[in-house]
Formats: sequence, structure tokens, C-alpha cells
Amino acid sequence: DQQVKQNSPSLSVQEGRISILNCDYTNSMFDYFLWYKKYPAEGPTFLISISSIKDKNEDGRFTVFLNKSAKHLSLHIVPSQPGDSAVYFCAARDSNYQLIWGAGTKLIIKP
Amino acid sequence: SAVISQKPSRDICQRGTSLTIQCQVDSQVTMMFWYRQQPGQSLTLIATANQGSEATYESGFVIDKFPISRPNLTFSTLTVSNMSPEDSSIYLCSVDNAGGSGELFFGEGSRLTVL
Repeated sequence: DQQVKQNSPSLSVQEGRISILNCDYTNSMFDYFLWYKKYPAEGPTFLISISSIKDKNEDGRFTVFLNKSAKHLSLHIVPSQPGDSAVYFCAARDSNYQLIWGAGTKLIIKP
Repeated sequence: SAVISQKPSRDICQRGTSLTIQCQVDSQVTMMFWYRQQPGQSLTLIATANQGSEATYESGFVIDKFPISRPNLTFSTLTVSNMSPEDSSIYLCSVDNAGGSGELFFGEGSRLTVL
């Protein structure tokens, strides 16, 4: 039973445009949601998080939106840059303070 | 943020052998976490390593297969024992930032291929 789902295995976006990565979850008790970025041959790097009591968090080019009624969150990157090409993981923290991870979405930024 | 170093970064192993992965952190941390990422899959927590006590294993992972050491607050090892091709994965060491929102810092990972 996948509690955190990233339904798009890959996404291709033109440089300068907006990238939108989506994540759905099933457990309404998750209290934090996090996005990580992973380059090949490196470990995941924390990008941005959002508390379940908020609906938006912004950090520079990165904004995360949370829709609790739909159990959906999204990461917006604008404008997209070539260095943003990576695999993006969505993760959610459960009541045991464990992170539950999505399978990742590979983002490709085309020049 | 913590700086985490893992060794080896990659290895090719023979079926039936064991390999120990080392994780060094540049600061003292209470808990260290070992994750596995199988090809095309999400990250799965193997166990939590606490200094001075036995590691806590997640469902599906056992100490005999994945023995863990935690001799001090900056170092841990994970051994993958009696390897089979199904153990081919990236193994990742991580620590949390103690900031309360669940952020983890990861090592660069150890990519194991079992033939």
C-alpha cells in the first residue's frame, strides 16, 4: 500500500518555464511534507518542506502547495533552469516521525 | 547542515559474500538512519542506529541480514550479509537536523551490484 505516490515517473520542461511536480498521499495524519532533489551518484538533498497546517511555502524559485482536502501537494519551480534536472522525491512524515517516500519524478529541463 | 561521508561509493560483489558500508558524520548525532533505494523504487528505511543500543529494524529487515554498528555519535556501519542479486541497491546513510520538521541529510550513497 503506497501511502505517498508520485504518479509521473518523468517530466520534461523547457528552460525558463514553470515545472510542476505532483504528489498524492493517503494518510491524513502526516504532519510534514518534504521535497528532496537527487542527482545521479549523490544522496538526496533537502529542498523545501511544508507543515500540514499551511497551504503554501515559498523559498526563492521553489514553492510548495498543499491541498489537504485533496491529499495532494505540488512543487513549483519557476523559472526552470538546466541545473534543476534531477529526480525529485516527495516525502511525508508520519506519527512515528518516519518519512514515507514517493518513488520520485525525473525532471528534465530542455535548453 | 551535516556533512556525511560514505564508503565505498560503489562496489561489485559476488553472490554469498558480505560487504560493510561505513558512514561518517562531521558532527555528533543521536540517530543515524540507513535507507535502501532499489532500482526505480523509492527510499525504504532499513533501520535506525542509536549509539549505545541495538539498532531498530523496520518490517522486512532483520539484524542477521543487515547487522549495524554504532560505536560512537559520529560513525555507523551497515553490513549487507550473504548477498544475492536482489540486494543490488543504493544504500544511504542519513541523519536528521533535529529541527523538528523531519528534514534529513544524506550521504552520497553506496551503489552495490551483486553478481
